[in-house]
Amino acid sequence: AQRVTQPEKLLSVFKGAPVELKCNYSYSGSPELFWYVQYSRQRLQLLLRHISRESIKGFTADLNKGETSFHLKKPFAQEEDSAMYYCALSGNTNAGKSTFGDGTTLTVKP
Amino acid sequence: NAGVTQTPKFQVLKTGQSMTLQCAQDMNHEYMSWYRQDPGMGLRLIHYSVGAGITDQGEVPNGYNVSRSTTEDFPLRLLSAAPSQTSVYFCASSQPGGRSTDTQYFGPGTRLTVL
Repeated sequence: AQRVTQPEKLLSVFKGAPVELKCNYSYSGSPELFWYVQYSRQRLQLLLRHISRESIKGFTADLNKGETSFHLKKPFAQEEDSAMYYCALSGNTNAGKSTFGDGTTLTVKP
Repeated sequence: NAGVTQTPKFQVLKTGQSMTLQCAQDMNHEYMSWYRQDPGMGLRLIHYSVGAGITDQGEVPNGYNVSRSTTEDFPLRLLSAAPSQTSVYFCASSQPGGRSTDTQYFGPGTRLTVL
């Protein structure tokens, strides 16, 4: 069975502070991990995926297979980063299926 | 490209009524999925399809039916609506293979209330 855990439902930081959204997973095959973001009144959209190893809007995430984690980080949070963030997993043994975590609502205060 | 479109945006039903949520994509994606989003429970997979004529159940399929007669369309049918089905429903599509494998593209959602 595959599972994605986001331990924090709510996360609040001040503008300019570092932010880390945690994501842990369990999967027996070779996972692909994603972070999706949902801004207020907008549809879910891909933020980044581990296979791309790129930084989007200042966010990065590193897949740590030893710790089965894929935490999302940004060194200096901005108010426009306030949104709901979902960690998701798919893999080579479950084509077409993605498993999502429960989501973390990030609030960046001025 | 319109991407993934969903209709209606809002719907109110009475218990026992049936309805179909429409989903269409114009990206020629093979994979399509339906999720429901409930507060504190994230996104849960209802049904998914890996191609025309092929569907399978997700995590919470009870009370819902799907069919995939074309690549573009993936309607979700509520057979007899119940208050527990009050939720926001998202349709998504993705394409296997290549650099963007399994990246999901989401529709705008349908907010359903069952009284």
